[in-house]
Amino acid sequence: AQSVTQPDIHITVSEGASLELRCNYSYGATPYLFWYVQSPGQGLQLLLKYFSGDTLVQGIKGFEAEFKRSQSSFNLRKPSVHWSDAAEYFCAARRNTNAGKSTFGDGTTLTVKP
Amino acid sequence: EAGVTQFPSHSVIEKGQTVTLRCDPISGHDNLYWYRRVMGKEIKFLLHFVKESKQDESGMPNNRFLAERTGGTYSTLKVQPAELEDSGVYFCASGQNSYEQYFGPGTRLTVT
Repeated sequence: AQSVTQPDIHITVSEGASLELRCNYSYGATPYLFWYVQSPGQGLQLLLKYFSGDTLVQGIKGFEAEFKRSQSSFNLRKPSVHWSDAAEYFCAARRNTNAGKSTFGDGTTLTVKP
Repeated sequence: EAGVTQFPSHSVIEKGQTVTLRCDPISGHDNLYWYRRVMGKEIKFLLHFVKESKQDESGMPNNRFLAERTGGTYSTLKVQPAELEDSGVYFCASGQNSYEQYFGPGTRLTVT
């Protein structure tokens, strides 16, 4: 069965520190991969996506993610976290063959300490 | 360009009542999806419309849920009768091709 796993339910980092949120997927073939962010009271905002090609993808708000086929991972990173990054982050995957459904991880809540 | 909109933003109903959620996709988007997040767990797929047709409804939990998409434009999701376990956030997304899913702000449903 297709699945997306985010091992960390909650992460706390200090403002200015680096961040890495983990995501692993289990699919028959390499899916399309996404990271979304949900701030309190807001909808899901797409941070970045991977379809093919360069395994390091850049997104909005200074985020990047690296696709590693050998590890079935798509970890999200940011070199210096800002207080406004406090939110819940979701990794998602979709089959790369049609406009079908996405499978989401459980989400990781990021707290930023001053 | 307006994004995906959902109405209401929050609904509180009693067990056994009926609630209808509405989603207006981005104009011109043929694909429309419903998802929900229950009890802080993962966001789960409910169903997928292509225009007015149900492409995939494998995620609908039971026959208390009815989704429609009138004329391939807006969509409604009706829960009748609502149960306590239906509480959660219901998201709608739309897209024009296989690469995109633009999400709405969600409707928070509370069943008491």
